[in-house]
Amino acid sequence: GDSVTQMEGPVTLSEEAFLTINCTYTATGYPSLFWYVQYPGEGLQLLLKATKADDKGSNKGFEATYRKETTSFHLEKGSVQVSDSAVYFCVANTNAGKSTFGDGTTLTVKP
Amino acid sequence: GAGVSQTPSNKVTEKGKYVELRCDPISGHTALYWYRQSLGQGPEFLIYFQGTGAADDSGLPNDRFFAVRPEGSVSTLKIQRTERGDSAVYLCASSEQNYNSPLHFGNGTRLTVT
Repeated sequence: GDSVTQMEGPVTLSEEAFLTINCTYTATGYPSLFWYVQYPGEGLQLLLKATKADDKGSNKGFEATYRKETTSFHLEKGSVQVSDSAVYFCVANTNAGKSTFGDGTTLTVKP
Repeated sequence: GAGVSQTPSNKVTEKGKYVELRCDPISGHTALYWYRQSLGQGPEFLIYFQGTGAADDSGLPNDRFFAVRPEGSVSTLKIQRTERGDSAVYLCASSEQNYNSPLHFGNGTRLTVT
């Protein structure tokens, strides 16, 4: 079946540091890829998405590029803020129903 | 507008009891999903509805779990003869029909079986 592997956390960074959270997937077919974020005390929400190879999703300074050749969708941000502290989930969806989630990476940004 | 609403937010029940968890999706969203999330793990797919019918229920762990969506809007996840291993956060999400559409999640129901 489909699977998503993301970098284990927790990740702790200082404000303005560069962030990378690695994500790779295995899937039958051609998935759409997403990053979801869960801020403390809130529900899961979409951060960004990419639906085909070489697409770049971006939002709130975060970016991720769909790399079909390496089956990856790494999340990056050039300068993190304290408010970015959250749990980040990489998700692959090869059909309308069954989105497959990674186990999440907890990011803590210190001032 | 209103997001996905789940009730109750917390449910504590004794082993062996029956529970119902409710999900009210975003108006107009035809697709509805149930996921289960255990501590330290990502959400695990349970079941997906397209309209009133269950399009994919392959994630339901066993026949103690059942879900309905009789009018194509509100959905209820039902768990019979609860076990301590059923303790988790149960998440509901809805989306537009297109599989590229993002999932809109509720805040979940935290189920604790004692």
